[in-house]
Amino acid sequence: KQEVTQIPAALSVPEGENLVLNCSFTDSAIYNLQWFRQDPGKGLTSLLLIQSSQREQTSGRLNASLDKSSGRSTLYIAASQPGDSATYLCAVDKGNNDMRFGAGTRLTVKP
Amino acid sequence: EAGVAQSPRYKIIEKRQSVAFWCNPISGHATLYWYQQILGQGPKLLIQFQNNGVVDDSQLPKDRFSAERLKGVDSTLKIQPAKLEDSAVYLCASSLGQQNTEAFFGQGTRLTVV
Repeated sequence: KQEVTQIPAALSVPEGENLVLNCSFTDSAIYNLQWFRQDPGKGLTSLLLIQSSQREQTSGRLNASLDKSSGRSTLYIAASQPGDSATYLCAVDKGNNDMRFGAGTRLTVKP
Repeated sequence: EAGVAQSPRYKIIEKRQSVAFWCNPISGHATLYWYQQILGQGPKLLIQFQNNGVVDDSQLPKDRFSAERLKGVDSTLKIQPAKLEDSAVYLCASSLGQQNTEAFFGQGTRLTVV
C-alpha cells in the first residue's frame, strides 16, 4: 500500500527566503508525482508534474525534483513571497491515474 | 477553457439526512475522481471513473456512499444517511485519462453534518 508523507506539516518563513518542501513515498513503482497548491476554502491547483523517467521540472520560481529509488521528491521555492502562502500537497500516481496524496505542508510567508 | 464545476459550494445537513453533490468535468476528460478531504488531511480517493466505468472504489463506504457517472460526463456523489464524521470537503477532479496527464480540481463542496 502506497503511503505518502510530507514534512514539515507547517512552515513559516520571512519573505525572500528560498525554501524546500519534502515528500516521501513508500512504493517506488510510480508513474508520476504531482505537486499541488491549495488555498484556504479552495480546490487544488496543479503546479508541476514529474514523470517517473524525469528527475526534475521547473516552472518560474518553482523547481520539483524526483528520486524514485529513494522514494523522495522536493519542491523548491525561490525568493518566497507572501502570495506563496498556501498548503502544498504532493500526490503520487501508482498507475491507472490513481493518485495518492500526502497531508500537505502549510506554508506561511511573512512580509 | 472552463474548469471542473461543482455544486453546491456549501451544504449543512443533519445526521441521518441524505445529500447529493454534482460535478461537471472538463470537456473531453475521460477520468473523473471524487475525493474526500477532512480538515487538516490530504484528499482521500473515494471513487475513480474512466468514462462511465468504475476503475477504483475500494475506499468508498458503500453502505452509505454511492456515485454514478451517466454517459461518461457529469457525475453525482450521494451520501445516505449522513454521519457526523462525513463532514469534509468533497473534491471532484478530472484528467484526460492518459498516462502522465495533469489532474484538474473543482472548488469542492464543503459538507457540514450536525
